[in-house]
Amino acid sequence: DTEVTQTPKHLVMGMTNKKSLKCEQHMGHRAMYWYKQKAKKPPELMFVYSYEKLSINESVPSRFSPECPNSSLLNLHLHALQPEDSALYLCASSGGGPNQPQHFGDGTRLSIL
Amino acid sequence: AQSVAQPEDQVNVAEGNPLTVKCTYSVSGNPYLFWYVQYPNRGLQFLLKYITGDNLVKGSYGFEAEFNKSQTSFHLKKPSALVSDSALYFCAVRGPTDSWGKLQFGSGTQVVVTP
Repeated sequence: DTEVTQTPKHLVMGMTNKKSLKCEQHMGHRAMYWYKQKAKKPPELMFVYSYEKLSINESVPSRFSPECPNSSLLNLHLHALQPEDSALYLCASSGGGPNQPQHFGDGTRLSIL
Repeated sequence: AQSVAQPEDQVNVAEGNPLTVKCTYSVSGNPYLFWYVQYPNRGLQFLLKYITGDNLVKGSYGFEAEFNKSQTSFHLKKPSALVSDSALYFCAVRGPTDSWGKLQFGSGTQVVVTP
């Protein structure tokens, strides 16, 4: 069982829809991450939140909008996505600091019609 | 900038035989090294890390990894592979001056263990 919970597990949406992905952790971690992963490829970092503030944005298109309402929750708001945005979206958390491993959720598999 | 390489796209091994997944890195200074495993339809699971100290690191599920500074390698090993070890394995590195939020992942190695 993972300690990082992501919902929904699967999402199918049209290019004009608005939807949100949710992530929750209760490990007391102060850093949270969003990654995009294509099949059989390594995860690509999108955003990092540290102490509920956005610290890294890897030049992600504005159709992806992250939000960190509190230290346990992380959202990714989606709007006007493109077919190439279909992927597995992974959330992770860590205790912060360079020697701390990241703990991943099982992801949301997103399909854009 | 740091980088990490996994030279094998796929490793095939018979159940009960030793398993090795290779990883080499390039970092200025002392690296932080990690191994993750991803089973189908799952997220990445942390296996082990090397920060400092003993070159042989023991991790979850019977895996271990050997840090070799002179060869800049961090190979993952398991003495006796199981069919259930079949999965996608990622090596990751972070340099000492890198933003702690950034991990550089290798391209991944698919491990196939046959009965």
